[in-house]
Amino acid sequence: DTEVTQTPKHLVMGMTNKKSLKCEQHMGHRAMYWYKQKAKKPPELMFVYSYEKLSINESVPSRFSPECPNSSLLNLHLHALQPEDSALYLCASSQLGWNEQYFGPGTRLTVT
Amino acid sequence: DQQVKQNSPSLSVQEGRISILNCDYTNSMFDYFLWYKKYPAEGPTFLISISSIKDKNEDGRFTVFLNKSAKHLSLHIVPSQPGDSAVYFCAASGAADSNYQLIWGAGTKLIIKP
Repeated sequence: DTEVTQTPKHLVMGMTNKKSLKCEQHMGHRAMYWYKQKAKKPPELMFVYSYEKLSINESVPSRFSPECPNSSLLNLHLHALQPEDSALYLCASSQLGWNEQYFGPGTRLTVT
Repeated sequence: DQQVKQNSPSLSVQEGRISILNCDYTNSMFDYFLWYKKYPAEGPTFLISISSIKDKNEDGRFTVFLNKSAKHLSLHIVPSQPGDSAVYFCAASGAADSNYQLIWGAGTKLIIKP
């Protein structure tokens, strides 16, 4: 089973809203990632969690707040986003030390 | 500085023929290379990878070739099928400061013509 699930599939939110994106994997992977992808661009790394601890934050604005409640779950809390934050948000996971990352289907976020 | 380059934004191939997608890199510390396939509004799907100690890896219709001296890799798809129409990303890892990060190319859009 190489499945990473993400909810919701689509999200529309206003600039004053607070929402959360959820990601789940049951492959026993101990590294989990959040990426942002704009149209016709490669995925852009936002955060990396290793053993449920934040190991990389790629200078992401504080309006994005990640959380890793356990080894299977990854959340991304959103608050006071800007229209330019509209994008496809991807979650991925991998074994630590392995290079293959497995991606979820993404959440299409629109900020109005 | 773009460390992984896919210089062809798009490629059109007849169904049944061979598709060859190319990727160049500049960082000689990269030791692992991956190809991902992406349909619109979906997450990338891992296709095939190759370690720098090898020069070829094959999986069904997909073969990746690595030329370390030229810092070049290519993905061959034979025979090409309509379902192969997608954007293909080359990615690399293993640089000393990478910390499991993948460095991505810009992608090549492959169009398979019936």
